[in-house]
Amino acid sequence: DQQVKQNSPSLSVQEGRISILNCDYTNSMFDYFLWYKKYPAEGPTFLISISSIKDKNEDGRFTVFLNKSAKHLSLHIVPSQPGDSAVYFCAARYSGGSNYKLTFGKGTLLTVNP
Amino acid sequence: GAGVSQTPSNKVTEKGKYVELRCDPISGHTALYWYRQSLGQGPEFLIYFQGTGAADDSGLPNDRFFAVRPEGSVSTLKIQRTERGDSAVYLCASSLRTGVNEQFFGPGTRLTVL
Repeated sequence: DQQVKQNSPSLSVQEGRISILNCDYTNSMFDYFLWYKKYPAEGPTFLISISSIKDKNEDGRFTVFLNKSAKHLSLHIVPSQPGDSAVYFCAARYSGGSNYKLTFGKGTLLTVNP
Repeated sequence: GAGVSQTPSNKVTEKGKYVELRCDPISGHTALYWYRQSLGQGPEFLIYFQGTGAADDSGLPNDRFFAVRPEGSVSTLKIQRTERGDSAVYLCASSLRTGVNEQFFGPGTRLTVL
């Protein structure tokens, strides 16, 4: 049973446009959400995160939005660049005793075309 | 500074054989995690170490899998009697301490069981 879902396996956008990657979760015990970016043959690298007490976090070109009532978050990349082409994983973490364990979605392959 | 390193980068073995996968975490990081990423999936939690002890091994699929971290730094994931279904990328991550939001991942070991 997938607790973190990324329903779009892939997304293609033009350079300079906005990329929007979506993520849904089912477990209301998740209190912290992260986005990781992964290039081929490399490990995932941390991109941006958001606590459940916030609804937006911004870092340069990257913004994450959280809608707790809908159990939905999204990552916006503006403007998109060819170097952003990678697999993006949404991950969630429990509050309390298991706060070390990340639960990942299946990932979305973003392709930014020049 | 140096990131998380994993060796070997690729391992091909035959069904029934024993394999060891090594992880060198970032110096000073007390928390270490192993994840497994199967084709088309996101990383799935296997085991977590705080210092030398395995604080949570609930993600290990069965008793053929075992991991150690004898001196609180390097960790070895051991798989006995490998099966074709064990084929995956095994990712190691570390963090400064438990509960810190960001986990730093290594490049992974791609295990192929023939």
